Amino acid sequence: QVQLMQSGAEVKKPGASVKVSCRTSGYTFTSYYIHWVRQAPGQGLEWMGMIYPSSGTTNYAQTFQGRVTMTRDTSTSTVFMELSSLRYEDTAVYYCARTVERATPIDYWGQGTLVTVSS
Amino acid sequence: SYVLTQPPSVSVAPGQTARITCGGNNIGRNSVHWYQQKPGQAPVLVVYDDSDRPSGIPERFSGSHSGNTATLTISRVEAGDEADYYCQVWETTSDHPVFGGGTELTVL
Repeated sequence: QVQLMQSGAEVKKPGASVKVSCRTSGYTFTSYYIHWVRQAPGQGLEWMGMIYPSSGTTNYAQTFQGRVTMTRDTSTSTVFMELSSLRYEDTAVYYCARTVERATPIDYWGQGTLVTVSS
Repeated sequence: SYVLTQPPSVSVAPGQTARITCGGNNIGRNSVHWYQQKPGQAPVLVVYDDSDRPSGIPERFSGSHSGNTATLTISRVEAGDEADYYCQVWETTSDHPVFGGGTELTVL
């Protein structure tokens, strides 16, 4: 079955970077897009960007341009999302999620990774 | 950028029909998807491409759109339907998905 398994919770200081992983299984890794969506406490869903694992091509939301980097490791079917220059307001649950094509609906989500930015 | 507007909350009694709206300029031009999110869980797709249901989603969940508004309708509401619901479209101008602000459904 399709699974997206994310790395565990992180606590980081302001200004630091965090790298979250999303290990996939149960489907052909290079045939689907992986998106990252975050949700601040009590808030809605915010799209951060996406990567096409086959080519490594990325598309980032303007809000995160310059601070986010998405990469993949095809040997382990894993996608990584690194967010730098962390601020208190980056405290959120970060989800990886899959789509068949760029503009199709998200059909599978990871379980989420809580990133807490605290001094 | 493209904005999707949802009411913050909707309340309905068990067995009644809940309607959650999603407003956006010319939203009818886009395929609208709806997600259900229960506390502490990842979202789940309940309606896609305006009105289709993924396998395993009850027929009680349906979608439609007219003009600048898309609507998620939940018939014969049950206590287990209590959740946050988000609409989503793909914005072609910026080439990325846009989510509505979410609607909290309360079952009285």
